[in-house]
Amino acid sequence: GIQVEQSPPDLILQEGANSTLRCNFSDSVNNLQWFHQNPWGQLINLFYIPSGTKQNGRLSATTVATERYSLLYISSSQTTDSGVYFCAVAPRETSGSRLTFGEGTQLTVNP
Amino acid sequence: GAVVSQHPSWVICKSGTSVKIECRSLDFQATTMFWYRQFPKQSLMLMATSNEGSKATYEQGVEKDKFLINHASLTLSTLTVTSAHPEDSSFYICSARGGGQFDSPLHFGNGTRLTVT
Repeated sequence: GIQVEQSPPDLILQEGANSTLRCNFSDSVNNLQWFHQNPWGQLINLFYIPSGTKQNGRLSATTVATERYSLLYISSSQTTDSGVYFCAVAPRETSGSRLTFGEGTQLTVNP
Repeated sequence: GAVVSQHPSWVICKSGTSVKIECRSLDFQATTMFWYRQFPKQSLMLMATSNEGSKATYEQGVEKDKFLINHASLTLSTLTVTSAHPEDSSFYICSARGGGQFDSPLHFGNGTRLTVT
């Protein structure tokens, strides 16, 4: 099956700092999503981005499908950004968008 | 739009009993829903794909007789953990594709935290 690697596994920031999270995947995809899982377990859908660039407030994401990676940018980080960030992909050859998740990046933003 | 509701949000049960978890698409129809399981400090692992009106498809290593899935309508899928044991304690999350389009994002419920004592 498709492999999804996220880096770094852990990241500690001071409030106000910027960061970049990376997601590498091993095959062509027709679905790529970034999620933020909060301390209560809720998965917040950040971006649906199988290709291209999108921005939403302090967050932006870029997927370079031909090179099989995606980046999530967090600017001016806040303590509420803490949590686990997951990248999930669905391979192009499958139907039904069965998402495979990476191992996540644990982000801690200190005040 | 594209809201997925999951119930209950948490449940505690005794070993040997069964627990049912519901997943509803509130404002769209979902012919396919997905059930995931997440153990502490780990990622989400797909357990099964739930198909409306037909049998679910289980991932390798997932016992279909233990995790019963019923997708009887276009807005409801249920997961029943039968004869639960402490090792079944986990966070269970369902998802569905919003709008039913192949190239649209998946939306997730808020999850159910199951504790088996």
